[in-house]
Amino acid sequence: GAGVSQSPSNKVTEKGKDVELRCDPISGHTALYWYRQSLGQGLEFLIYFQGNSAPDKSGLPSDRFSAERTGGSVSTLTIQRTQQEDSAVYLCASSLVRGANTEAFFGQGTRLTVV
Amino acid sequence: QQQVKQSPQSLIVQKGGISIINCAYENTAFDYFPWYQQFPGKGPALLIAIRPDVSEKKEGRFTISFNKSAKQFSLHIMDSQPGDSATYFCAAGSGGYQKVTFGIGTKLQVIP
Repeated sequence: GAGVSQSPSNKVTEKGKDVELRCDPISGHTALYWYRQSLGQGLEFLIYFQGNSAPDKSGLPSDRFSAERTGGSVSTLTIQRTQQEDSAVYLCASSLVRGANTEAFFGQGTRLTVV
Repeated sequence: QQQVKQSPQSLIVQKGGISIINCAYENTAFDYFPWYQQFPGKGPALLIAIRPDVSEKKEGRFTISFNKSAKQFSLHIMDSQPGDSATYFCAAGSGGYQKVTFGIGTKLQVIP
């Protein structure tokens, strides 16, 4: 595809359930980011994947959050035992990290609502 | 640790006025400073970017000013229009395998 694709675009789940959010980055992009954006708030960094390096998980808010990136392409963000405070828009971005070019391209996001 | 500090968090400007958003960074390894624009319901999109070998870059009504010694950079929107109303994020990155770091964002409202 031409851009970063995220699915689903909207997800409503019951408190305590697990959810999986998917990100398809731009083909060939080696770097992939997950961010969380609460209503009217800034971008909260969650996790960063770069090639085959160990991911930077420093932004994950708790051990209920995890992410993986299979084959250096598609990524899945998993939230276990969801809580109401997990409600937010989850944004994925990818970039082609080569030299000093680190422009990040964002998907439209997944709006997660925990009821 | 907030590596990129952005201010103000919200800004109201009259149509035709100048919108100014400021950012400061700490990591001297940063060598790429983009600004992103986000409209409601959309993901952020690159607006304009600068590298530290220049002090200013202009694209249409949007200008980035860069002060390397002060480790500060700013976005100026000249002749601000209601269509510019959006959230603006500054960011900083470097070559190699360092992730891009974003500021907290500025919600700009341009009123007629």
